[in-house]
Amino acid sequence: GAGVSQSPSNKVTEKGKDVELRCDPISGHTALYWYRQSLGQGLEFLIYFQGNSAPDKSGLPSDRFSAERTGGSVSTLTIQRTQQEDSAVYLCASSRGGQPETQYFGPGTRLLVL
Amino acid sequence: GENVEQHPSTLSVQEGDSAVIKCTYSDSASNYFPWYKQELGKRPQLIIDIRSNVGEKKDQRIAVTLNKTAKHFSLHITETQPEDSAVYFCAASWNYGQNFVFGPGTRLSVLP
Repeated sequence: GAGVSQSPSNKVTEKGKDVELRCDPISGHTALYWYRQSLGQGLEFLIYFQGNSAPDKSGLPSDRFSAERTGGSVSTLTIQRTQQEDSAVYLCASSRGGQPETQYFGPGTRLLVL
Repeated sequence: GENVEQHPSTLSVQEGDSAVIKCTYSDSASNYFPWYKQELGKRPQLIIDIRSNVGEKKDQRIAVTLNKTAKHFSLHITETQPEDSAVYFCAASWNYGQNFVFGPGTRLSVLP
């Protein structure tokens, strides 16, 4: 079946602009995660959605970052007033939820802030 | 909160040798421990996982062991091949997947 998809695959923006990144999870997966991966670094947790529960936003680095998940499916991660240090690969993952389950990752969006 | 450490940060082995990567976690409530392989420029992909009710799991050349008392788990790759070269991440999770913490990664190089 279809895996997790993300768009765009690459995004170049100017400092100070807003960007929106999209994630389409695997159909039926109730849990959705956003991570950030800087060049050569590990996975930094950003936010977690589980069903209709309030999201866990504890990993968001600043109030310029926000995320929504509409209808329990598609999610968008928005970065306002982008800074150069926001440049990274943004990875989305989904899982079936409930008990800790395998996460399936999307291909990521590579963001470059000039 | 949970903290996951991973060692070594880099590992080079000769083709055919074994590789072992070890992770420790801090929260005794963690009950799910996956390992991901990330090749250069690609997404992380699950290679093996283990739940806290078992001590060892094996899948062909890959095995994972879990010591709940010591709060550590290890990835074992036998008969390594050049295509095993990648960054490997461990993770620990509890609370129905809400708390999912990754280790910093190990860069494995298998030398031909």
